[in-house]
Amino acid sequence: GAGVSQTPSNKVTEKGKYVELRCDPISGHTALYWYRQSLGQGPEFLIYFQGTGAADDSGLPNDRFFAVRPEGSVSTLKIQRTERGDSAVYLCASKRGGGEGEQFFGPGTRLTVL
Amino acid sequence: AQSVSQHNHHVILSEAASLELGCNYSYGGTVNLFWYVQYPGQHLQLLLKYFSGDPLVKGIKGFEAEFIKSKFSFNLRKPSVQWSDTAEYFCAVTTNAGKSTFGDGTTLTVKP
Repeated sequence: GAGVSQTPSNKVTEKGKYVELRCDPISGHTALYWYRQSLGQGPEFLIYFQGTGAADDSGLPNDRFFAVRPEGSVSTLKIQRTERGDSAVYLCASKRGGGEGEQFFGPGTRLTVL
Repeated sequence: AQSVSQHNHHVILSEAASLELGCNYSYGGTVNLFWYVQYPGQHLQLLLKYFSGDPLVKGIKGFEAEFIKSKFSFNLRKPSVQWSDTAEYFCAVTTNAGKSTFGDGTTLTVKP
């Protein structure tokens, strides 16, 4: 079956603009994660969904960041009033269930804020 | 809050050398431990994982890792590296509640 997909693969925007990043998890995976990865660092946890609800959003850096997963499948990460410091690769991962289990990662969306 | 520390940022080895990458974590409760690898131009993929049981776990491509609870460590090893092992390696912990924390990664360069 298909893996995790993310669109777009690259996004260039201007400071102050709004962006949406999309993640299509593996079919049947109930858990979905968003991470942000800056150059030279590991993935930084942003938010974790179990089904439609955000089980842990403690990693969202501020209220400009928001994520939804309305039907428990596709998720959208939304960033308002983008800043240059938001430039990073945004990774999505999905997992079959909660607790134990391997996360399957997508290829990421490279966001550049000019 | 949990944290993960990877001791080596960049390791350079010749083919057939042995590898050990250090990983220490900080968390007061039960964790699940992972090593992920990212080959050049590819996305993160699982090397191996530890949930419970035998603390010595074996993964793909001849990698293994040992969980030492008393040291909060989960070091990655391979007896003989190959040029194709050149990649970035990430240690990660996930709590039973699902939150994941990654280390900053170790870049491994294997010289042919």
